[in-house]
Amino acid sequence: GQQLNQSPQSMFIQEGEDVSMNCTSSSIFNTWLWYKQDPGEGPVLLIALYKAGELTSNGRLTAQFGITRKDSFLNISASIPSDVGIYFCAGQLNAGKSTFGDGTTLTVKP
Amino acid sequence: NAGVTQTPKFRVLKTGQSMTLLCAQDMNHEYMYWYRQDPGMGLRLIHYSVGEGTTAKGEVPDGYNVSRLKKQNFLLGLESAAPSQTSVYFCASSYLDKGYEQFFGPGTRLTVL
Repeated sequence: GQQLNQSPQSMFIQEGEDVSMNCTSSSIFNTWLWYKQDPGEGPVLLIALYKAGELTSNGRLTAQFGITRKDSFLNISASIPSDVGIYFCAGQLNAGKSTFGDGTTLTVKP
Repeated sequence: NAGVTQTPKFRVLKTGQSMTLLCAQDMNHEYMYWYRQDPGMGLRLIHYSVGEGTTAKGEVPDGYNVSRLKKQNFLLGLESAAPSQTSVYFCASSYLDKGYEQFFGPGTRLTVL
């Protein structure tokens, strides 16, 4: 089946720094999604991307849908302590059926 | 609105026991999903449903059964639990025309001894 490689696996940064993470796939997707999961809770959708090359922002978060449709990245600018959590990318070929990456665990030091 | 709720929050089973996890949503979503999440990994789709009375297999369906008798409920059953099914189970739902935007429940932590 389809697999996503998400990197880095974990990040330790100082408050105020920018963060970048990405996902790559061996096959194409029609939609790329980025989620955040806090401890003990379900994932929450941050950004959805529907078109190759699309660049979308949500506050301090910016994500891009790669031109090849096989990759996506997420940037977080000026990180704050509440950004701590696990960030997941997910790709969809058909509506509803998502393939998830293994996540990037973000730790922000005040 | 409660969104997506899951029952129970925690459960411990012995190998061979059976149980049913309940997912309920009050957003009138057509699609519902069951995922499992193992430590250090992303979510993997077990089964999903595109409407009342219909279900389909996902990526890891073996050992699980599902039913969608009512639009708002999606049940996940384990007939004979195995230690390999120890995991956190998440239910999600979405609209038909926005299948990408899935709303997740808080999860059920299941341990099989």
